[in-house]
Amino acid sequence: SQTIHQWPATLVQPVGSPLSLECTVEGTSNPNLYWYRQAAGRGLQLLFYSVGIGQISSEVPQNLSASRPQDRQFILSSKKLLLSDSGFYLCAWSEQGIRGQPQHFGDGTRLSIL
Amino acid sequence: GESVGLHLPTLSVQEGDNSIINCAYSNSASDYFIWYKQESGKGPQFIIDIRSNMDKRQGQRVTVLLNKTVKHLSLQIAATQPGDSAVYFCAEIYTSYGKLTFGQGTILTVHP
Repeated sequence: SQTIHQWPATLVQPVGSPLSLECTVEGTSNPNLYWYRQAAGRGLQLLFYSVGIGQISSEVPQNLSASRPQDRQFILSSKKLLLSDSGFYLCAWSEQGIRGQPQHFGDGTRLSIL
Repeated sequence: GESVGLHLPTLSVQEGDNSIINCAYSNSASDYFIWYKQESGKGPQFIIDIRSNMDKRQGQRVTVLLNKTVKHLSLQIAATQPGDSAVYFCAEIYTSYGKLTFGQGTILTVHP
């Protein structure tokens, strides 16, 4: 069966520091991969998605970037964190190439910027 | 622009009651809908989905109803249990790469 892992679960970082959040998927090949941010008590906002290695699409302008160095690895990064980058970050995957498939989420990273 | 929203932000029920969570969507071209359950501190968990060529789909204790005429989606939970307490999101997919648009969520609280 497929599994998705995110780490770390929680992270406290000072303003201006770099960021690297990692997500890996097991049990599937060539998945679509996604990064979302969720503000407290709100819905999910899509940040990035990827349909293959090295292919990244950004949904909203922001201080973050994403990379996909391997088929089942998705990384969310920042060179200098802002206070507004605080939030709950979720990685998700879905089957490739078939329209209308559910996305499956990891358990997220709670990021606090001080 | 397109949006997916929820009519009721909070819902409180007694254990054993049936729960109904509603969702409205604005994009008539959407052809796939999903309900997710999110517990505190965790990622959304897939509950049930429905395609636009259907108007009803049943799972274990859950039923999703789709009314395309009024662009309305609902999730029915039978014999609600305390473990059903969570935030429930509806989501819409309308592009070939499966981009989801989420509603704001409904908080379901089940009292024993």
